[in-house]
Amino acid sequence: QSVLTQPPSVSGAPGQRVTISCTGSSSNIGAAYDVHWYQHLPGTAPKLLIYGNTNRPSGVPDRFSGSKSGTSASLAITGLQAEDEADYFCQSYDTAMSASVFGGGTKLTVL
Amino acid sequence: QVQLQESGPGLVKPSETLSLSCTFSGGSIRGYYWSWIRQPPGKGMEWIGYIYYNGSTKYNPSLKSRVAISVDSSKTQFSLKVRSVTAADTAVYYCARHLGVSTYFDPWGQGTLVRVSS
Repeated sequence: QSVLTQPPSVSGAPGQRVTISCTGSSSNIGAAYDVHWYQHLPGTAPKLLIYGNTNRPSGVPDRFSGSKSGTSASLAITGLQAEDEADYFCQSYDTAMSASVFGGGTKLTVL
Repeated sequence: QVQLQESGPGLVKPSETLSLSCTFSGGSIRGYYWSWIRQPPGKGMEWIGYIYYNGSTKYNPSLKSRVAISVDSSKTQFSLKVRSVTAADTAVYYCARHLGVSTYFDPWGQGTLVRVSS
């Protein structure tokens, strides 16, 4: 059971927009700790996609965007492409656990 | 461009000690935190612990009694030991770098699968 809750899967057709939610609590996201998002293809190193809730590292397309409100955060992907098919997971920090915490991951399928 | 690579045995017997190393290249250990993170099959990521470049460590409370992270004298490799392993420790183990205690991890290694089985 992951500390941060994500939907197990989402899907969308090429060109469409999808969002992935990440729900936490008052001891992590709600405590003003930043949320970060990663893209992960099995067998490879997870790739930082969004840091500090809304910021994109250099090289990440602006089709990817992040937002945060209250105890939740969201990752939005617009103009879906086949290459976006991957697992996506969120990360924050939990003050009660004194530990970095993660979401369970969401598998994105491009139809 | 910093790169991380995990290495170690892919199979460990129950009750024994799991030992992994993370070799990094393209940068310095100074000023950063270096973490171990794992992902059991079909589950989400779990942070195991970190070592700061000055040698200080912090571990996930759920694993604290069985885990130790150290950095070698060459300052190009850091290691993870997990004692008394069980099948629940079967996972892909990743090493990653971060700037602060609560910040994002970047980069990550590609991970190494460790199975606990007799």
